[in-house]
Amino acid sequence: DAKTTQPPSMDCAEGRAANLPCNHSTISGNEYVYWYRQIHSQGPQYIIHGLKNNETNEMASLIITEDRKSSTLILPHATLRDTAVYYCIVRPRFGSGAGSYQLTFGKGTKLSVIP
Amino acid sequence: EAQVTQNPRYLITVTGKKLTVTCSQNMNHEYMSWYRQDPGLGLRQIYYSMNVEVTDKGDVPEGYKVSRKEKRNFPLILESPSPNQTSLYFCASSTPGVGGGNSPLHFGNGTRLTVT
Repeated sequence: DAKTTQPPSMDCAEGRAANLPCNHSTISGNEYVYWYRQIHSQGPQYIIHGLKNNETNEMASLIITEDRKSSTLILPHATLRDTAVYYCIVRPRFGSGAGSYQLTFGKGTKLSVIP
Repeated sequence: EAQVTQNPRYLITVTGKKLTVTCSQNMNHEYMSWYRQDPGLGLRQIYYSMNVEVTDKGDVPEGYKVSRKEKRNFPLILESPSPNQTSLYFCASSTPGVGGGNSPLHFGNGTRLTVT
């Protein structure tokens, strides 16, 4: 079973920030939070990941609460091309064997960017 | 360009006719994996490989075989395909990250298989 909870769908106006929430209340200390997205039926695309600090890259920002039980993915200026299903995944730190590579995908959040 | 390449992108076949879906990565990754994606069921892992000659079952291995004779290639073999193997298949690869973190999984663009 997926260890994360996400809203099934969200809308965002083009050009505005998209804030996608994720609950992972059972996350353990050695687990990272990863975000992927899947555009239509293409292969999932890595966006960002973090352990406990907030992270930012060219695609997005990741805000993780202090207790690590939830996080928010922020797309600062959503475009139509950001319409996709976004997956929040917890993943063990490397060194835990094969399980540290495996991704368990839940149902994700379908983000629709509206013109 | 770093990538995972799957072939073919689309495949229609008949029940019982053996087929192979190829997967190749050019990133020298140790870990490779196969997933299938079905409506309402999400992505489920079929098989994975931690390195050359090391493979293991994922969550839904029945009806599939894999091999890892070279680091870059990880073919998925369906010896006797059945209609319930109609699905969208993804290959992925990864490598240990620096400092204990995990390198992200890189996915191919998928193979849509239809078995009639």
